[in-house]
Amino acid sequence: GENVEQHPSTLSVQEGDSAVIKCTYSDSASNYFPWYKQELGKRPQLIIDIRSNVGEKKDQRIAVTLNKTAKHFSLHITETQPEDSAVYFCAAVGSTLGRLYFGRGTQLTVWP
Amino acid sequence: EAQVTQNPRYLITVTGKKLTVTCSQNMNHEYMSWYRQDPGLGLRQIYYSMNVEVTDKGDVPEGYKVSRKEKRNFPLILESPSPNQTSLYFCASSPQGTSLYEQYFGPGTRLTVT
Repeated sequence: GENVEQHPSTLSVQEGDSAVIKCTYSDSASNYFPWYKQELGKRPQLIIDIRSNVGEKKDQRIAVTLNKTAKHFSLHITETQPEDSAVYFCAAVGSTLGRLYFGRGTQLTVWP
Repeated sequence: EAQVTQNPRYLITVTGKKLTVTCSQNMNHEYMSWYRQDPGLGLRQIYYSMNVEVTDKGDVPEGYKVSRKEKRNFPLILESPSPNQTSLYFCASSPQGTSLYEQYFGPGTRLTVT
C-alpha cells in the first residue's frame, strides 16, 4: 500500500514568516493530495488539495506544490498569523478508490 | 445545516463490552469513512464505504465492524473492545465524482476502554 511521510513533526515560526511542510509518498499511482488543518480540540478541515496533473496550486496565503518525479509535495504558508497555529496533515489517495493515507501531522506554532 | 454528526461524543467503557458509535450525514453523500487518531500516528483509516451496501477495509480494520444499510448512516461497531482501541474516532463523508475526497468530518468521539 501507500506510505506517506511528513516532516517536520513540529515547526515554530515568528508571525509574518513563511512555513513549509513536506510530505513524500511511495505509490506512483497516487493522484490526489489533500491537506487538512486541525485546530486544538476540533475536527480536521480540508484547506487545499492538488491533483497529479497540476504542479502548483495557490489559495491566498496557502500554496501546495507537487513533484511527481520525486514523489513529494509541500504546503507553503506565507505571512503566517497566530491563527495558523494548528496541526497540519498531508494525505495521498492511492490506486484504490476510496483509500486515503495520511502523514503523521505537523504541529505548527506561530509566535506573535 | 449541512453536517456530519457522531454519537456519543465521549465514552468510557470496559474491555469486552460491545459498543456502537453512530455516524450520520444529511448531505446525501455517497462516500463515508471512519478514522482513528492517535498521538504521533496521525489519522488512520479503519473502514470506508463508497455507497450503500459497499464497505471496504482501510489501514486498521481489526477489531471493528461497519455497516451501510442506508446512505445517511455509517455506524462503527466494536464487538469486544480492548484497551488498544482507546482513541479519538472521526467519521467523514463526501460526494462521489470529482469531489470524492473533499471530506466533511464529524466532531469526533473520544473512546476510552479500561
